[in-house]
Amino acid sequence: EVQLLESGGGLVQPGGSLRLSCAASGLTFSRNDMSWVRQAPGKGLEWVSVISGSGGSAYYADSVKGRFTISRDNSKNTLYLQMNSLRAEDTAVYYCAKWVPAVQGVSWGQGTLVTVSS
Amino acid sequence: QTVVTQEPSFSVSPGGTVTLTCGLSSGSISTSYYPSWFQQTPGQAPRTLIYSTNTRSSGVPDRFSGSILGNKAALTITGAQADDESHYYCVVYMGSGIWVFGGGTKLTVL
Repeated sequence: EVQLLESGGGLVQPGGSLRLSCAASGLTFSRNDMSWVRQAPGKGLEWVSVISGSGGSAYYADSVKGRFTISRDNSKNTLYLQMNSLRAEDTAVYYCAKWVPAVQGVSWGQGTLVTVSS
Repeated sequence: QTVVTQEPSFSVSPGGTVTLTCGLSSGSISTSYYPSWFQQTPGQAPRTLIYSTNTRSSGVPDRFSGSILGNKAALTITGAQADDESHYYCVVYMGSGIWVFGGGTKLTVL
């Protein structure tokens, strides 16, 4: 069974930075694309970013491009999201996901809350 | 920029059948968009129901089915049950590595 455990959320001031982590188990981590998906309070799901299994390719939603960086350490089975220049509108629960919707489906973590506020 | 559209809300009677759709503000959805469907109840992580148009995720009952209907992706629930009352989201592949979620449908069973 795939298990994904996010950490690193918390309260940060506007303009600040935060790094989220996602520890994965129950899968061959390096063979799977991984994504971050977020959900602002009371709002719908928003796809944020995806990284290929090797880490060689990464893509971002326009809303975070240039501010967020997705990365992975396959030796540690861990996914990261470095978030810089944070804004109030980045406040959300951030979900880590094994992201293979074209072939194998999507497995979800439980999420970590990021609050951007002064 | 193309928007992924879903009905904001829908209602179904217990035991009834409902079809939720996922479309584009411009153009048609086909299997090449690999539409997937997710169910989410308040305070919980999403649950994957359907991926790649019509493949049920492990453990999902067969009363949930996915298809392409006309120019939209569709999620059909047959024999609706009280615990199907949830939010339902679709996501589609827009090319160049980019995925986009629809705004979600709040389904009421009454």
